[in-house]
Amino acid sequence: DTAVSQTPKYLVTQMGNDKSIKCEQNLGHDTMYWYKQDSKKFLKIMFSYNNKELIINETVPNRFSPKSPDKAHLNLHINSLELGDSAVYFCASSQEMSDNQLGETQYFGPGTRLLVL
Amino acid sequence: GQNIDQPTEMTATEGAIVQINCTYQTSGFNGLFWYQQHAGEAPTFLSYNVLDGLEEKGRFSSFLSRSKGYSYLLLKELQMKDSASYLCASMDSNYQLIWGAGTKLIIKP
Repeated sequence: DTAVSQTPKYLVTQMGNDKSIKCEQNLGHDTMYWYKQDSKKFLKIMFSYNNKELIINETVPNRFSPKSPDKAHLNLHINSLELGDSAVYFCASSQEMSDNQLGETQYFGPGTRLLVL
Repeated sequence: GQNIDQPTEMTATEGAIVQINCTYQTSGFNGLFWYQQHAGEAPTFLSYNVLDGLEEKGRFSSFLSRSKGYSYLLLKELQMKDSASYLCASMDSNYQLIWGAGTKLIIKP
């Protein structure tokens, strides 16, 4: 069984379009994340979300919005795509972090390779 | 600011030992993670250190010195399948992982 799954795996689209990437986890985790990995391989956190709180990296443009229909899903919607949005987007999940639950591993999805033309 | 530094690339020989260093500066500290990422694949968890010292797990060991803001990942008996990028990440006071750019490890026969 796949723990964290993302669709689509590849996404090629034109500038200005709106697109969504879906993520689902079947691990029963409380917290989900979206990361962007650029061509230099830096993993940058975009959002973390549990049923209590959405934490947004302030550097993320508001064209990006996470949508969570339930605890097992965190989808990423992107409006008005730009060339610089081309990257690999990873979804991840973990148990909720707290003082008593340090070191909880984040499990990553396979990634979505987005190419904006 | 928050910063994670690790070498961009390292080369080692099959069967040998290699040490990948990482220095970190984060707002608060809730532990240091190492992940492995093969080309075109997702990162996978290798180790977690929150106390000073060495944690050994099979061929892989990870070390932490909180006073120095320093960690290393030690890989023994290198195999060709160990060719990958190794990502160091520090968890800050908000429980967010701050990632390094990764060290690309090339294993030669």
